Amino acid sequence: AQKVTQAQTEISVVEKEDVTLDCVYETRDTTYYLFWYKQPPSGELVFLIRRNSFDEQNEISGRYSWNFQKSTSSFNFTITASQVVDSAVYFCALSYDSGAGSYQLTFGKGTKLSVIP
Amino acid sequence: GAVVSQHPSWVICKSGTSVKIECRSLDFQATTMFWYRQFPKQSLMLMATSNEGSKATYEQGVEKDKFLINHASLTLSTLTVTSAHPEDSSFYICSAREIGGQGVFGTDTQYFGPGTRLTVL
Repeated sequence: AQKVTQAQTEISVVEKEDVTLDCVYETRDTTYYLFWYKQPPSGELVFLIRRNSFDEQNEISGRYSWNFQKSTSSFNFTITASQVVDSAVYFCALSYDSGAGSYQLTFGKGTKLSVIP
Repeated sequence: GAVVSQHPSWVICKSGTSVKIECRSLDFQATTMFWYRQFPKQSLMLMATSNEGSKATYEQGVEKDKFLINHASLTLSTLTVTSAHPEDSSFYICSAREIGGQGVFGTDTQYFGPGTRLTVL
C-alpha cells in the first residue's frame, strides 16, 4: 500500500526564517515518483517539483530545496528566508502505477505554513 | 508550464439540480485526467480516473451514477454531479496528466486546475 505522512500539521515562522517541511512515504514499488504541491488560499494546487525514485540528487530552485533520501524514505522540503507569500498548505505526494499505466497520486494530509511578517 | 483550466470556479445550486464542471488542458494533450474532492482543511481525495475515449475508473465508495465523468477529447473532461444534495457541497479539483513534456523536472506530472467550489442549498 502507498502512504504519505506529513507529520507537521501546522507550522508558523517569522519572515526570513528557514523552514523545513517533512515528508515520509511508504511504497513497495521500486519505480515511483514524489511530488510537492503548494496550495495557497485561492485553492489552486501549484506544482513545485517531481522526483524519480532512482534519482536521489538533491534539488535547489531559488529559495526552495529538496532533500530526497531513499534510505529513510523521506523527501523533505526547505524554504530559505521565508516570505509572507510562502504562506500556504503544502502537500507531498507519491505517484505509482495503479494499473494499465495510470499513475495515481497519493497525498499526504498537508502542512499549513504561516509566515508571520 | 502546463496549464489546466476549470469552469466554473464556483457554483451555487438548489438541491436536486445537476451541475457540470469542465476541466481543460490548455497547452497539452491529456489522455488521463483525475477528479478529486477536497473538504475544508483536509487533503485531496481521488474520486475517479478519467481516460480519453473510455469509461472512467471510480474509487471505492464513489457513486458512478451520481458523479458522471466524460472524457470526450484529449483536452476536455467533464464531471456532472447529478441530483446534487447539500452533502455534495465541496471543492472539486481536476488534474491532467502530462507525459513527455519538456522541462527541468522531467515528464509525467499531474497539473491541477484551479478548482470549483460547489455549494448546494
